[in-house]
Amino acid sequence: DIQLTQSPSFLSASVGDRVTITCRASQGISSYLAWYQQKPGKAPKLLIYAASTLQSGVPSRFSGSGSGTEFTLTISSLQPEDFATYYCQQLNGYPVTFGGGTRVEIK
Amino acid sequence: QVQLQESGPGLVKPSETLSLTCTVSGGSVSSSSYYWGWIRQPPGKGLEWIGNIYFGVSTSYNPSLESRVTISVDTSKDQFSLKLSSVTAADTAIYYCAREVYGDYAAFDYWGQGILVTVSS
Repeated sequence: DIQLTQSPSFLSASVGDRVTITCRASQGISSYLAWYQQKPGKAPKLLIYAASTLQSGVPSRFSGSGSGTEFTLTISSLQPEDFATYYCQQLNGYPVTFGGGTRVEIK
Repeated sequence: QVQLQESGPGLVKPSETLSLTCTVSGGSVSSSSYYWGWIRQPPGKGLEWIGNIYFGVSTSYNPSLESRVTISVDTSKDQFSLKLSSVTAADTAIYYCAREVYGDYAAFDYWGQGILVTVSS
């Protein structure tokens, strides 16, 4: 299985901060990486696919980059509605796997 | 607008079979552009991919669950189903169904709201 390691697992930030979350794959996955946001009691919501393509309707403050084994999700200016847990996911091969999640909380 | 909705019992006894159905509206489970999959999330924990079905016939399963999982589809109703046999307390989780885009832009773009299934006697 391809392992995805997210860091940090938790971060505390203020509204307006620039936030970066990293996802490292145990082997190369090209650009078959997606990012999701999950709020308590809700299903995950797709933010980014193909490592850097913004899903329709997602604010432009979200961006993704990377290929191969290292990827990042950046929120350029954190908004109150962005406090949530973020997961990366690889779809390069089966089984599909997820990172362990990064919980973003208000400082 | 595509919508997915999970349904099934919220309580299953140990050693029995968990059975869930996902009803798709606004889309077709027969489409060659999508996989239809199941993901679960134990309370307070991360996401685990269970498996998917493509074009109504081709299935892929997580090796950690493969011996106990069956995913099938009913194209006449635009539904797909999950069966997980011999459940234990470790199978207690929120179960989500989702649509997975096929190809270079793969991702799970639509999700159901999730259904909590508790395994307990």
